Amino acid sequence: GENVEQHPSTLSVQEGDSAVIKCTYSDSASNYFPWYKQELGKRPQLIIDIRSNVGEKKDQRIAVTLNKTAKHFSLHITETQPEDSAVYFCAASLTGRRALTFGSGTRLQVQP
Amino acid sequence: DSGVTQTPKHLITATGQRVTLRCSPRSGDLSVYWYQQSLDQGLQFLIQYYNGEERAKGNILERFSAQQFPDLHSELNLSSLELGDSALYFCASSDLTGGLGTDTQYFGPGTRLTVL
Repeated sequence: GENVEQHPSTLSVQEGDSAVIKCTYSDSASNYFPWYKQELGKRPQLIIDIRSNVGEKKDQRIAVTLNKTAKHFSLHITETQPEDSAVYFCAASLTGRRALTFGSGTRLQVQP
Repeated sequence: DSGVTQTPKHLITATGQRVTLRCSPRSGDLSVYWYQQSLDQGLQFLIQYYNGEERAKGNILERFSAQQFPDLHSELNLSSLELGDSALYFCASSDLTGGLGTDTQYFGPGTRLTVL
């Protein structure tokens, strides 16, 4: 099955700095890579996703990059704000064949 | 609001008891997933149903079972409860009809189970 590793487990940045979270996956067939944000006690919410036919996707301050050869993908948050503080999960799946496998999560703390 | 609903929101029970958690997927979604999240832990995949049939199984204990009904809502049954079963249980749903974007999972608000 798929295995997704996520680093770092915790990340503390100053407001306005950038944050980068990295994930690696094991199954080269995986073709869908979403990122979820989970605030304390709340549901995970999809913030951005990327499919294997593109290398980068951007949505305002958030971007995701994918390197299929190296089997890793990353979440980049620029100009961080205190409200970005949350746990972020990466995941990987094979569309229509295998459900999402989640990484272990990264707790991001943005210091004002 | 994701469109996925879960009841109850909170559940407090005693060891050895049995409980049922309920999930209604987004309108049109055929697939339902159950996850367990213990305190400060990640999302542990339990089981997936697609249009009434079990599709995939994760780290689900034998004391736990689930089903998906013809109206596509799903129930997760937890029996012989232990203290360690205390956790947030999330349900998610996706379309999975095969088109692009149909495997995105949308999560419900969760049920917080406390076993005393």
